[in-house]
Amino acid sequence: QVQLVQSGAEVKKPGASVKVSCKASGYTFTSYGISWVRQAPGQGLEWMGWISAYNGNTNYAQKLQGRVTMTTDTSTSTAYMELRSLRSDDTAVYYCAREKYGDYFYYWGQGTLVTVSS
Amino acid sequence: EIVLTQSPATLSLSPGERATLSCRASQSVSSYLAWYQQKPGQAPRLLIYDASNRATGIPARFSGSGSGTDFTLTISSLEPEDFAVYYCQQRPNTFGQGTKLEIK
Repeated sequence: QVQLVQSGAEVKKPGASVKVSCKASGYTFTSYGISWVRQAPGQGLEWMGWISAYNGNTNYAQKLQGRVTMTTDTSTSTAYMELRSLRSDDTAVYYCAREKYGDYFYYWGQGTLVTVSS
Repeated sequence: EIVLTQSPATLSLSPGERATLSCRASQSVSSYLAWYQQKPGQAPRLLIYDASNRATGIPARFSGSGSGTDFTLTISSLEPEDFAVYYCQQRPNTFGQGTKLEIK
């Protein structure tokens, strides 16, 4: 069965960086891209971007361009999302997700809480 | 950039009642729209994709309709476990702000 298992919660200071991992299992990793979606406390869902696990192509949300980098390690079937120059409004639960029906997110990681606080 | 507007923001109903949730797009998205359910502390769950197709394992009481700019998620008879927040999504990168379905 498809599983996406994310790394644990992080607490960071403003201006720091965070790197969240998402380890995939149960399917051929390079056959699907991985998207990242975040959710600030009490707020809605925000798409952050997507990476092809096949060739590393990326597509980032415009508002995060320059601060976010998504990568994959095909040897370990793991996707990574790094966010730099953290601000308090980056405090959120970060999810990785994989499509099943064409760009709709059927499989989700359990979420990683990133708290940005001085 | 497409904007999705969901209404109402909160819907108060009783178990057994019919729920109708709306999602309006600022421009046509054809049928490329999905609905998700999210419960507190959980990741979202895909219910409907391409406006009207139920995802694997989703009960038949959930149905979706619409095309172009106006879409509806209908829950025919509410079960206690259906009370949650519902989001629409224009694939892959735009979500609505959510409708909270609460117990009356």
